[in-house]
Amino acid sequence: EVQLVQSGTEVKRPGESLKISCKASGYSFASYWIGWVRQMPGRGLEWMGLIFPGDSDTRYNPSFQGHVTISADKSITTAYLQWRSLKASDTAMYYCARRDTSGWYYFDQWGQGTLLTVSS
Amino acid sequence: SSELTQDPAVSVALGQTVRITCQGDSLRNHDASWYQQKPGQAPVVVIYGNNKRPSGIPDRISGSSSGNTASLTITGAQAEDEADYYCNARDNSGYQFVFGTGTKVTVL
Repeated sequence: EVQLVQSGTEVKRPGESLKISCKASGYSFASYWIGWVRQMPGRGLEWMGLIFPGDSDTRYNPSFQGHVTISADKSITTAYLQWRSLKASDTAMYYCARRDTSGWYYFDQWGQGTLLTVSS
Repeated sequence: SSELTQDPAVSVALGQTVRITCQGDSLRNHDASWYQQKPGQAPVVVIYGNNKRPSGIPDRISGSSSGNTASLTITGAQAEDEADYYCNARDNSGYQFVFGTGTKVTVL
């Protein structure tokens, strides 16, 4: 069974750093793109970027580039989303999602989400 | 980057048909997928490749695309179809993805 299991709820202060994770199982991790999606409270879905764990090729939404880092560790089949300095506006639910490789461009499996609250 | 625009909200009577649209320039060249999100849950894909249904998605949900507009149709809406729906497609560069603004579907 394909699963994406994300790390738990985080509460942080502005300026702190954070790395959240997305543990994949049930498929060949290196062969599928993994994306990250933000959902701010009461708002819609925003595509942040994605990574191909096989060669670490990474694509960023220009709106997020420079503020977050997407990475992956093939040895433990885990993808990451990282901030060096959090802002209150980073408060949101974050989802990881696997991009299908059948030739169609869509996200077929999603993690359960990681809720991040940034507050002083 | 491209934008995908959806109507914010629509309502449909139980058992009736509702169509949700998604407009954007990139849809002329790239296929759309649709995601259903219920409160407190992660999104679930209901349509990909403009009109393909993943296994387990009821056949009352269908998709189509023409020009710069992709559509999701629910024929014979059920109470469990009440949710937010988001379209998604690659942008004009082909290297990025973009989500639509989302449509809240209420089943009356």
